[in-house]
Amino acid sequence: EPEVTQTPSHQVTQMGQEVILRCVPISNHLYFYWYRQILGQKVEFLVSFYNNEISEKSEIFDDQFSVERPDGSNFTLKIRSTKLEDSAMYFCASSEALAVSYEQYFGPGTRLTVT
Amino acid sequence: LAKTTQPISMDSYEGQEVNITCSHNNIATNDYITWYQQFPSQGPRFIIQGYKTKVTNEVASLFIPADRKSSTLSLPRVSLSDTAVYYCLVGDLHSGGYQKVTFGIGTKLQVIP
Repeated sequence: EPEVTQTPSHQVTQMGQEVILRCVPISNHLYFYWYRQILGQKVEFLVSFYNNEISEKSEIFDDQFSVERPDGSNFTLKIRSTKLEDSAMYFCASSEALAVSYEQYFGPGTRLTVT
Repeated sequence: LAKTTQPISMDSYEGQEVNITCSHNNIATNDYITWYQQFPSQGPRFIIQGYKTKVTNEVASLFIPADRKSSTLSLPRVSLSDTAVYYCLVGDLHSGGYQKVTFGIGTKLQVIP
């Protein structure tokens, strides 16, 4: 069964450093998403991406965040200058084109720890 | 998205059927009901989606009464591996293609041996 993969599984970084979280969505999917989950809290939507541009972003997704699909397979989330409060699990997800459904396929997540 | 209310936690013994009910009194005509499952330290996983009556797949059943103001996720004969958080969400499937999933707190199901 095809699956979304994410690397690294755990990233430790110092406050103020830039991090790039990587995702490989399912190959025939055209919609891509990033979510985050702070320990013990809800899963929060960050951004959706389609046709090489952002479709929607949340208030969390400020100027410190950016997304990119640098090639035909990877989808990345960059945090330019990390803060302590960015520590969370970051999940990438993808969904099929034109699917009228809430069915998204989530990756296993990257645990980001900012010290 | 319509507001949903579901129990914060539930316990069940292995082998029992578990029913998790979600209230969504303000559901709109075009809204669908979707359930996700999240195991500890993993990403959420889509379980089932429905509009009315009953939907069944290999994982669960979803029961939706005629007024659609609530829905019940039914897990047959749970095992320890069904211990997870279950999220109910209600929303309009707009034609934009992408669907932002808005998660609530969910129901933490603990299956006991």
